[in-house]
Amino acid sequence: QSVLTQPPSASGTPGQRVTISCSGSSSNIGSNTVNWYQQLPGTAPKLLIYSNNQRPSGVPDRFSGSKSGTSASLAISGLQSEDEADYYCATWDDSLNGPVFGGGTKLTVL
Amino acid sequence: QVQLVESGGGLVKPGGSLRLSCAASGFTFSDYYMSWIRQAPGKGLEWVSYISSSGSTIYYADSVKGRFTISRDNAKNSLYLQMNSLRAEDTAVYYCAREWAVGATFDYWGQGTLVTVSS
Repeated sequence: QSVLTQPPSASGTPGQRVTISCSGSSSNIGSNTVNWYQQLPGTAPKLLIYSNNQRPSGVPDRFSGSKSGTSASLAISGLQSEDEADYYCATWDDSLNGPVFGGGTKLTVL
Repeated sequence: QVQLVESGGGLVKPGGSLRLSCAASGFTFSDYYMSWIRQAPGKGLEWVSYISSSGSTIYYADSVKGRFTISRDNAKNSLYLQMNSLRAEDTAVYYCAREWAVGATFDYWGQGTLVTVSS
């Protein structure tokens, strides 16, 4: 059981916009910034969004993040087949004194 | 370019020990916090431990506290994870990751090393 709650799966067709939610509590998302990671099959995770809504260099602007209260969201617009991957939210937890991850969302491009 | 290369994984019996290493290059290792993060087969990511840039601050996940020890050698640009009293549930790919900013912001990851605990 992960500290942060994500839907196990999401799907969309090419060109569509999809969102993935991440729910936490006051000790994690409520008081810290949220990061998102993309994990392509058979590879290590890659930082996709940091500080709620910032994109590292090289990440397309099709990817965006937001946070409100104790929840966060990742939005992917103009969905492409190469976006098919697992997506994880993560943040610091003040009670656990360490980083916590969501359980991951498997995105399927139909 | 930044590179993190893990090694030391393998098959070990329950109750056994293993030491993982992570060789860093392409950046000033001593400037960064580092973490170990694991992923059980077909499962999500689980943070294991982190160590501050100087090694003076260390935290562990409750699931490994008292059994695992994280350390680093800044002169050798290396991160380590000593794993003792291993259990079947420790079976996972172990990644080392550079923490770019405090708060689960891991900007570079290694390719991972598989640890299998089985009799």
